[in-house]
Amino acid sequence: DTAVSQTPKYLVTQMGNDKSIKCEQNLGHDTMYWYKQDSKKFLKIMFSYNNKELIINETVPNRFSPKSPDKAHLNLHINSLELGDSAVYFCASSQDAMAHYGYTFGSGTRLTVV
Amino acid sequence: QQPVQSPQAVILREGEDAVINCSSSKALYSVHWYRQKHGEAPVFLMILLKGGEQKGHDKISASFNEKKQQSSLYLTASQLSYSGTYFCGTPAEGKSTFGDGTTLTVKP
Repeated sequence: DTAVSQTPKYLVTQMGNDKSIKCEQNLGHDTMYWYKQDSKKFLKIMFSYNNKELIINETVPNRFSPKSPDKAHLNLHINSLELGDSAVYFCASSQDAMAHYGYTFGSGTRLTVV
Repeated sequence: QQPVQSPQAVILREGEDAVINCSSSKALYSVHWYRQKHGEAPVFLMILLKGGEQKGHDKISASFNEKKQQSSLYLTASQLSYSGTYFCGTPAEGKSTFGDGTTLTVKP
């Protein structure tokens, strides 16, 4: 009964490749997010969607493109991967856009670009 | 700007207490706290929505001083399972800005 599930858990790829990460939540939450956690554990917002609509795009390079086909799914596609993209990417969801009941995070995708 | 957490790291023996502070240079309207164990996802602990609010969760509690723009997390009689990195976050519509984390290590 995983609440927020993301796949794959690990992704190792070469520079220049294109890759996707998928996320699904079964909590009935309205808002979904992508966060990037770097090697120093800093959690930084990338995108957020509320009921399938993009509400936050936090100065992320155009190579990153999120897509939300419905409010239970939020995918992340990354073009032309660079070494600096190596990080752990967390999907999260919350009941509403103000996160009055906090976030539920997925287990993360560790992306390594070589 | 992200909230500032202190200390950056703390090492305890089982049964000892710890306090983690989170302060913001901007007005704080609410604060939430998370714990992340190594290699795992952050897990929501609690959210404080009003100035002066205090909450407890087992032996972990928190306070929120809206005027001072700060929140504190109190861990009482720490257990080995409390080890991890603790983050505070300041929610806004569609995002939360997280502090840089406090690593807590509890030793037997």
